[in-house]
Amino acid sequence: DIAITQSPSSVAVSVGETVTLSCKSSQSLLYSENQKDYLGWYQQKPGQTPKPLIYWATNRHTGVPDRFTGSGSGTDFTLIISSVQAEDLADYYCEQYFVYPNTFGAGTKLELK
Amino acid sequence: EVQLVESGGGLVQPGRSLKLSCAASGFTFSNYYMAWVRQAPKKGLEWVATISTSGSRTYYPDSVKGRFTISRDNAKSSLYLQMNSLKSEDTATYYCARHERDSYARDYWGQGVMVTVSS
Repeated sequence: DIAITQSPSSVAVSVGETVTLSCKSSQSLLYSENQKDYLGWYQQKPGQTPKPLIYWATNRHTGVPDRFTGSGSGTDFTLIISSVQAEDLADYYCEQYFVYPNTFGAGTKLELK
Repeated sequence: EVQLVESGGGLVQPGRSLKLSCAASGFTFSNYYMAWVRQAPKKGLEWVATISTSGSRTYYPDSVKGRFTISRDNAKSSLYLQMNSLKSEDTATYYCARHERDSYARDYWGQGVMVTVSS
């Protein structure tokens, strides 16, 4: 199985700061035929359903603000949140859907400093 | 508007069975892979099952293989999860999710349904 490791487990930021979340895969998630990485990011606020943010490692889902940026390829990925807003405080998960079993990271909790 | 509405959750004793349903609307259900993802209380997300558009292919992690069965009825735009031999560790909120056609990403999720396995 592909193991997904997220770091840090929690991070405290002030409104307006930029924060970088890391997601590492134990195997490459790059599909050679289309050069796409099968890695997604989700945001989950307390008591709410996970909200898809990023697919194919770098593409924003419809309606996601451009302060959310996904980057990386292969085994190392990041989610950068620029100018953090109070509404961004949530848990963030990455997931590989390259192979079965699909696997999620343990998440990063974004908190207010 | 895409909507996924789960139902069928509740309290069940260990070893018993439960069947979850997910009613889909706002899109052509038969054109999309569908999945179940769960989240134990205060824990992270765990993929549970995926089914192909026709239902001919299904996928499970080892943690539920042989106990859970995902199925679909395209005529009714409905997704199901039959859960047998339930264990306390199956206690979780279960989400129905759609796989986008090109990227395969999970692009829409239901609101979730709670399953509690306890005597």
